[in-house]
Amino acid sequence: DVKVTQSSRYLVKRTGEKVFLECVQDMDHENMFWYRQDPGLGLRLIYFSYDVKMKEKGDIPEGYSVSREKKERFSLILESASTNQTSMYLCASSLWPSEMREQYFGPGTRLTVT
Amino acid sequence: GEDVEQSLFLSVREGDSSVINCTYTDSSSTYLYWYKQEPGAGLQLLTYIFSNMDMKQDQRLTVLLNKKDKHLSLRIADTQTGDSAIYFCAEGGSSNTGKLIFGQGTTLQVKP
Repeated sequence: DVKVTQSSRYLVKRTGEKVFLECVQDMDHENMFWYRQDPGLGLRLIYFSYDVKMKEKGDIPEGYSVSREKKERFSLILESASTNQTSMYLCASSLWPSEMREQYFGPGTRLTVT
Repeated sequence: GEDVEQSLFLSVREGDSSVINCTYTDSSSTYLYWYKQEPGAGLQLLTYIFSNMDMKQDQRLTVLLNKKDKHLSLRIADTQTGDSAIYFCAEGGSSNTGKLIFGQGTTLQVKP
């Protein structure tokens, strides 16, 4: 079974703090993704990585950065957390190349910025 | 740009059929997908349909695809309280990178 784990289920941070969200997958997948999920807006892609040290901006990269030093680990960094970054963050991975674009998701991290 | 649209909420009674609808703009996807998100969990692939098919049936699930109208639907027969979840429609768009474009998600509420 593919497993995608995220470092925390719940996180509370203060405005201005630097925040690290970690994601690890155990299936040797090339692709990894970070999304945020907000009610009524669905999933929005923040960043995407298709290989170690390779990354591509998604739809809403502002205020975020990412790091992928090892194939199995993809980190999302909030350089200076703000209240509008309070959200559910979901990590996913997928095999590539593959005709089927099945993504495997972690359980999510609910981040609250106060 | 590429877009996927769904209604946000559907409420049905246990035992009834549920139909969740989705429209999309990009017709180049090889597959279209339905993901399910149960409370407190990440998304999981529920079913998918190949773009040259009109219909796919999988036990209580029926997926219908109308390519002309760019309309996808998911029918759940004999809906159970365990089917209460958020359902996301997704398509691959025109990118060659494995990215998916997700709809807003439809929250299905099943009343006993």
